[in-house]
Amino acid sequence: GQNIDQPTEMTATEGAIVQINCTYQTSGFNGLFWYQQHAGEAPTFLSYNVLDGLEEKGRFSSFLSRSKGYSYLLLKELQMKDSASYLCAVVNSGGYQKVTFGTGTKLQVIP
Amino acid sequence: DAGVIQSPRHEVTEMGQEVTLRCKPISGHNSLFWYRQTMMRGLELLIYFNNNVPIDDSGMPEDRFSAKMPNASFSTLKIQPSEPRDSAVYFCASSPSSGRVYEQYFGPGTRLTVT
Repeated sequence: GQNIDQPTEMTATEGAIVQINCTYQTSGFNGLFWYQQHAGEAPTFLSYNVLDGLEEKGRFSSFLSRSKGYSYLLLKELQMKDSASYLCAVVNSGGYQKVTFGTGTKLQVIP
Repeated sequence: DAGVIQSPRHEVTEMGQEVTLRCKPISGHNSLFWYRQTMMRGLELLIYFNNNVPIDDSGMPEDRFSAKMPNASFSTLKIQPSEPRDSAVYFCASSPSSGRVYEQYFGPGTRLTVT
């Protein structure tokens, strides 16, 4: 089975940096990804990590440590529009690549 | 390009009624997913189709739920009979191939309320 843990809520200030952590336990691992979901909207794909290390995409970066079962999403130069839920999800290995989502971290950016 | 299309966007029904949700995946995508999202449980995978064949339906709550994919461009999720605890947002998502399941494109969702 798989278990994914993220903080439920976070608050950060516009212009600042925020790190959203995700820990996971899985019987087989084949990658971790992050989705962004604004209130009332569908999730949209942000990033995918399959190897250890940091992946950078503009203001967003995602880090993975497979040995620690740990990932984080780093958001720099926060903007008000970054207020959203951020979902961590794990792809398992095996017969088919099953995706399991965490419950998400609701980020509120304040002025 | 059209994304994933879902209908209806909102559905309000009474307990015991049948509900049918519809999804049209992105053309050319061969993997399709149905999810249910609630505040308490987050985003839960209900069923996954690959090339129109159900691969994993372990997330389907019980016999009241059924899903079909008669062709590559259409899928349905049916709840019969519906219950108040089925109230949630139901998302359909598609991905280009079974090897890229991390790259899922979600539809706008159907918000279901069962009274």
